[in-house]
Amino acid sequence: GAVVSQHPSRVICKSGTSVKIECRSLDFQATTMFWYRQFPKQSLMLMATSNEGSKATYEQGVEKDKFLINHASLTLSTLTVTSAHPEDSSFYICSARDGRSTDTQYFGPGTRLTVL
Amino acid sequence: AQSVTQLGSHVSVSEGALVLLRCNYSSSVPPYLFWYVQYPNQGLQLLLKYTTGATLVKGINGFEAEFKKSETSFHLTKPSAHMSDAAEYFCAVSDLRSSASKIIFGSGTRLSIRP
Repeated sequence: GAVVSQHPSRVICKSGTSVKIECRSLDFQATTMFWYRQFPKQSLMLMATSNEGSKATYEQGVEKDKFLINHASLTLSTLTVTSAHPEDSSFYICSARDGRSTDTQYFGPGTRLTVL
Repeated sequence: AQSVTQLGSHVSVSEGALVLLRCNYSSSVPPYLFWYVQYPNQGLQLLLKYTTGATLVKGINGFEAEFKKSETSFHLTKPSAHMSDAAEYFCAVSDLRSSASKIIFGSGTRLSIRP
């Protein structure tokens, strides 16, 4: 099946710094990518939807200036957590939709962010 | 608007017993329905999905689910639980008919398997 990778898988940073997470579709072109956040023992909450070459659409309550999303190519989307704080510590998961088919999203393995 | 309700945040069954994880959905349009499994510190793996056609859907690892429109349900079952089935399971709904549509996840059910 289709593969989506995320890098890094785990990151620890100091409060106030910015962290970039990459999401790549390895064997298909992803016209749409999604970013989710998951707190411990909770479900996935959609943060934003990004379409290649256009601005991301953020869900209500998600600060677009804090969580910068760039979808510059059909195989890469990045999420930058700016001026990270301990409350941003979470598991971030991306998913990608194959441009040839709209009925399936492929999920990345997730990135564990810990802000000290 | 679409939503998903998973009944039971934690289900525990004995190895070899029937697994039943409940999911009810709400959707104003014909839904696409999914079950995903998540192992600790990992992403989501698709178990099965319903889009159109046959209402009984078979997935990986012996799991299956039945779409029942009259009950707005999409319960996940497996005849005989295995220790390796212990994980978090998420039911999800979407209207994936356009590139703007999203997948909405339920709150998840943690499945434990007793030896």
